[in-house]
Amino acid sequence: DTEVTQTPKHLVMGMTNKKSLKCEQHMGHRAMYWYKQKAKKPPELMFVYSYEKLSINESVPSRFSPECPNSSLLNLHLHALQPEDSALYLCASRVTGGLYNEQFFGPGTRLTVL
Amino acid sequence: EDKVVQSPLSLVVHEGDTVTLNCSYEVTNFRSLLWYKQEKKAPTFLFMLTSSGIEKKSGRLSSILDKKELFSILNITATQTGDSAIYLCAESNSNSGYALNFGKGTSLLVTP
Repeated sequence: DTEVTQTPKHLVMGMTNKKSLKCEQHMGHRAMYWYKQKAKKPPELMFVYSYEKLSINESVPSRFSPECPNSSLLNLHLHALQPEDSALYLCASRVTGGLYNEQFFGPGTRLTVL
Repeated sequence: EDKVVQSPLSLVVHEGDTVTLNCSYEVTNFRSLLWYKQEKKAPTFLFMLTSSGIEKKSGRLSSILDKKELFSILNITATQTGDSAIYLCAESNSNSGYALNFGKGTSLLVTP
């Protein structure tokens, strides 16, 4: 299994909703990432997990709450989002150690906040 | 602040042309430079470069890194309409857990 999967593919939510994005990989990668990509912009880092521990939070508002329940799974919990949070949310994973730090991206969740 | 700068930002060519995309970087604790292709979905990995002067090739695509001059190029020969995409260059360093710091991308359109 050499892929990163993300669910759902699309999500529409209101500003008072609570929802979660899910990311899964079975490549044995111990580093996982959340990126946010706005239209016509490159992806921007949100969070880094290394060995299931949050190692970097790029000053992301608390309405985004990441969670890494195990080495294969990464969640992003969403609460009280704003319309400007509408974007493509990308998960990526990378093998740790050594020189091999290619990151492989999931297909993304396209989020619309109304 | 670490920077990755790509040029040109957009490019229109005819099928069969050869294109060269540029990426320069200014980073501390540089580890590697990566190229991705993005169509209307997630970025797909093309190349990772860590050493100067060693060309990576995959079919009609090739890339090389110059660590002294701090730049990389991505070449596409005999372009096809399926090469139309945004090409993203990113650096990865130990300061940020090897997260990717992307340039703005080059939007390539290959016309028939």
